[in-house]
Amino acid sequence: GAGVSQSPRYKVAKRGQDVALRCDPISGHVSLFWYQQALGQGPEFLTYFQNEAQLDKSGLPSDRFFAERPEGSVSTLKIQRTQQEDSAVYLCASSGVASPLHFGNGTRLTVT
Amino acid sequence: QQQVKQSPQSLIVQKGGISIINCAYENTAFDYFPWYQQFPGKGPALLIAIRPDVSEKKEGRFTISFNKSAKQFSLHIMDSQPGDSATYFCAASLPIDYKLSFGAGTTVTVRA
Repeated sequence: GAGVSQSPRYKVAKRGQDVALRCDPISGHVSLFWYQQALGQGPEFLTYFQNEAQLDKSGLPSDRFFAERPEGSVSTLKIQRTQQEDSAVYLCASSGVASPLHFGNGTRLTVT
Repeated sequence: QQQVKQSPQSLIVQKGGISIINCAYENTAFDYFPWYQQFPGKGPALLIAIRPDVSEKKEGRFTISFNKSAKQFSLHIMDSQPGDSATYFCAASLPIDYKLSFGAGTTVTVRA
């Protein structure tokens, strides 16, 4: 595809459930980022991959959040034992070498 | 703490008018200052970006003004159109590090 693809677009989870969010970056893009965007706020950095290596996970809010990119392309963000405060839009972005970020349309997670 | 502060939170402008959004940053190591445009249900899309070695950059109706000594930068939207109605985010990142710090966003409404 031409852009960053995220699935599902919407996810409703009961508190305590585990969820997995998928990101398909633009083909050939080395860098991949996950951001969390709360309602009415700017995106907040979660984690960064260069190929399959997770180089920065300083933005992950707790050890319930885990991200992987095992083959250096598709990435999955997993949230264990979801809490209401996890409700947000999760954005994935990718970039090539020395190029700007391209964002996907996000996954809106609602925890009830 | 928020590394980039953005104002105003919202603004309304008449068609043909000028929209001005301001941002301030603290970290003098920031080296890349993009502006993103976001429509409801979509991911942020890069609008225009500047590096601190220039004081102004113009692309079509959009202009970034950059004041390195004041640690401020602004977006000017000239001849605002109803299609410009969106949320605008300023951001900043360190050199060769595309982890972006975003402002809180400005919702622009252009009245026809």
